[in-house]
This record gives sequence, structure tokens and C-alpha cells, in this order.
Amino acid sequence: EVQLLESGGGLVQPGGSLRLSCAASGFTFSSYAMSWVRRAPGKGLEWVSTLSGSGDSTFYADSVKGRFTISRDNSKNTLHLQMNSLRAEDTAIYYCAKHQRTNYWYFDLWGRGTLVTVSS
Amino acid sequence: EIVLTQSPGTLSLSPGERATLSCRASQSVSNSYLAWYQQKPGQGPRLLFYGASSRATGIPDRFSGSGSGTDFTLTISRLEPEDFVVYYCQQYGSSPLTFGGGTKVEIK
Repeated sequence: EVQLLESGGGLVQPGGSLRLSCAASGFTFSSYAMSWVRRAPGKGLEWVSTLSGSGDSTFYADSVKGRFTISRDNSKNTLHLQMNSLRAEDTAIYYCAKHQRTNYWYFDLWGRGTLVTVSS
Repeated sequence: EIVLTQSPGTLSLSPGERATLSCRASQSVSNSYLAWYQQKPGQGPRLLFYGASSRATGIPDRFSGSGSGTDFTLTISRLEPEDFVVYYCQQYGSSPLTFGGGTKVEIK
């Protein structure tokens, strides 16, 4: 079955760190760029970060640049998001998403998401 | 950054009626690189259209996408009970990619 399954969310204090993971199955993981997208409570979707299929090109939203790091392990079909220096405004459901085609930044497969809550 | 404004915020209709959702961009979306997604509670978004009007795999033909430049439309010709959820547009013609705030279609 083609699917993405996120994990690693939880409650963390401001300034803390968290590492999210996304397990992919049912497709050739290394052939596709992958992204993280989040949805804060009561708000719309916000793109966070993108990583090329080979892992050699990374892209970040200005709101997370310098604090978040995206990575992947193609041998384990897994995408990660290391989140440091977390802020209250990072509270959101985080989704991993598969790009349908190389160089086209829209997404044909999404996970169900994992909730990150930043609060003291 | 291209800002996408979706209207209305909430659309109240009855099953069988026609729904027209709007997505307006603050600048022209190059190559009509606009996608539409449907999101049901507790699930991730589902791709409906890309390139403004290209239907994704498995999407029923009661859904249609249209538009170019700064004005785009998602139309549902006859609403089914499972269509009463939230819809988002997204542009990928310019960096950073951006999403609209969403339109919720609710049962009247």
C-alpha cells in the first residue's frame, strides 16, 4: 500500500527540540522529492521544508531557516525533520508529503500528520 | 511571496447543489501552476487538481478546476455527502510555494 506515516510529535517546552520521522511505503522513495507542511490551529497550510530525492538539495521557509533541518535515509525509506529552538508559533500538525514529479512542487501523497505542541 | 485568498471562507449548501470555490492570487501564477486539495477531518490533504485543471488520479468528474493568471476556480457540480469538508489551493509557480487559507463546505 502506498502511504506515509509520521511520528515523533508531542509536547515540548519553548526552546526545546523534537525530531519528526515519516515512514514511506509502496513507492520508490529515493526517486521523489519530499516535503514537510504544517497546519497551525485555526489556520491554513504552510510549507516548511523540501528535500530532493538524492538528499543533496534542501529548501526551507524563512520562518524555520536556521532552526529546522530536513534529512532522509533512502535505505530505510524515511524522512526526518529535526526541529530546534522551538517556539509557540511552531505548534501545528506536521504532515510529510510526496512530490508528484521532480521539479514540480505539488503533492500527490500526504500522511495523516503528527501533532507538535510547544508550550510551557 | 504570492498570497492566495480563498473565498468564501465557508460555503453553506445542500447535497446535490453546485459549489463554486474561488482562489485569487496577489500576483499572476506562472504557467497556471496551481493545485487544489481536499482535506477531511483527521486526514492529510488529498490532491484534486494540478496545473489548474488537470484532474488527479481517482478524482470524480463532478469536480472541475479552471482559471489562469490570478483567478482560479474549483467547481463541484453536484455535492455528495462526502464533499462537505475543507478545500485548499496552492501555487507552485513561484518560491516560496504558498497555500490559501481554505474554504469549508458545510451542509446547509
